[in-house]
Amino acid sequence: RKEVEQDPGPFNVPEGATVAFNCTYSNSASQSFFWYRQDCRKEPKLLMSVYSSGNEDGRFTAQLNRASQYISLLIRDSKLSDSATYLCVVNLAGNNRKLIWGLGTSLAVNP
Amino acid sequence: ETGVTQTPRHLVMGMTNKKSLKCEQHLGHNAMYWYKQSAKKPLELMFVYNFKEQTENNSVPSRFSPECPNSSHLFLHLHTLQPEDSALYLCASSQVLEDTQYFGPGTRLTVL
Repeated sequence: RKEVEQDPGPFNVPEGATVAFNCTYSNSASQSFFWYRQDCRKEPKLLMSVYSSGNEDGRFTAQLNRASQYISLLIRDSKLSDSATYLCVVNLAGNNRKLIWGLGTSLAVNP
Repeated sequence: ETGVTQTPRHLVMGMTNKKSLKCEQHLGHNAMYWYKQSAKKPLELMFVYNFKEQTENNSVPSRFSPECPNSSHLFLHLHTLQPEDSALYLCASSQVLEDTQYFGPGTRLTVL
């Protein structure tokens, strides 16, 4: 089983749609969780951290389910500019700040 | 944004060449990273430097040689690479013991 697993997509949605991505992780000792966004031929950029209580930033909502070992990202009212690859990232406990990256989920928002 | 810069942005080299990638961060961070991103694969961590000291070498072949002269600069020296080393090489920085990493734009490397 991969350490961090995502559906690569692509997800093709119309503008204004709501879309959700899931990401599963294999190590139950994982402590920190993130969603990064990567535009085509650009570097990854932090979108949001994922907290146990869930968190929201505008149109984006991230949630963590420790029992089932998955995190999710919900995007409401999709914009054309949301088209990108969304990378799920997990960090293990301890002093080794080693991030484990998923392959990414590709999203295309169409007019 | 100029928080983390990388040069060159594109590099084509032969298998017998020697070249170096450069990364500079202007964020006051004390940890720096090299990642490799290949098509159809997740980001692979190559090296980690904390306070200029290498703390992780993720089983990277010796044809990749990192150098960190200070907390703001990171180099990746390349020699006798293979075509399968063609990829996007990303540099990142963070504060030590913090998870949020900031990436440079990457160097797209092609080995012929």
